Amino acid sequence: DTTVKQNPRYKLARVGKPVNLICSQTMNHDTMYWYQKKPNQAPKLLLFYYDKILNREADTFEKFQSSRPNNSFCSLYIGSAGLEYSAMYLCASSRGWFSYEQYFGPGTRLTVL
Amino acid sequence: GDQVEQSPSALSLHEGTDSALRCNFTTTMRSVQWFRQNSRGSLISLFYLASGTKENGRLKSAFDSKERRYSTLHIRDAQLEDSGTYFCAAERKQQGTGSKLSFGKGAKLTVSP
Repeated sequence: DTTVKQNPRYKLARVGKPVNLICSQTMNHDTMYWYQKKPNQAPKLLLFYYDKILNREADTFEKFQSSRPNNSFCSLYIGSAGLEYSAMYLCASSRGWFSYEQYFGPGTRLTVL
Repeated sequence: GDQVEQSPSALSLHEGTDSALRCNFTTTMRSVQWFRQNSRGSLISLFYLASGTKENGRLKSAFDSKERRYSTLHIRDAQLEDSGTYFCAAERKQQGTGSKLSFGKGAKLTVSP
């Protein structure tokens, strides 16, 4: 099973409220990623976990948090949603540290009002 | 700066014709993936290449094995259902920070009768 699952598929949030998105995979992949995708833009890497080590991109460091309680699950947390957070959030996983295919989930479409 | 230059950004084809999309990389890449974005905004993986070529039905992708500075996606006998936005993403060859994909800006393909 090469499926990456994401919940929820659609999320509506109010400005200033927290948002928690969930991703899971059962492929025993070491690395899990979160991307943000806005219309007519390329996906933007936000952060990734290699095993238990979290790597956050410098330009989004303070905007997103993440946790990985076990190998299969990874969350993306927004402490206080702003309008600019409206986007598709894509989770992906890969087997190792580098040179492995990334498998993407179906995404969570977040709308902040 | 941008490491992946995708061209063309938009392409219109008639059914039954052939065409190709291309991604140039400003630096040597380890691997490349090609995706098609579906109507919901999710990314559907088409190919993963560390070298050489792969073919799947009417689609064929190649990754320059020598210089590792470009990749192509060929579409043969284009069909209406091929319409969509195609992204390439390449894995940078760097030490110590794990596998990161750099995405192109996408190519919007429209196939008409």
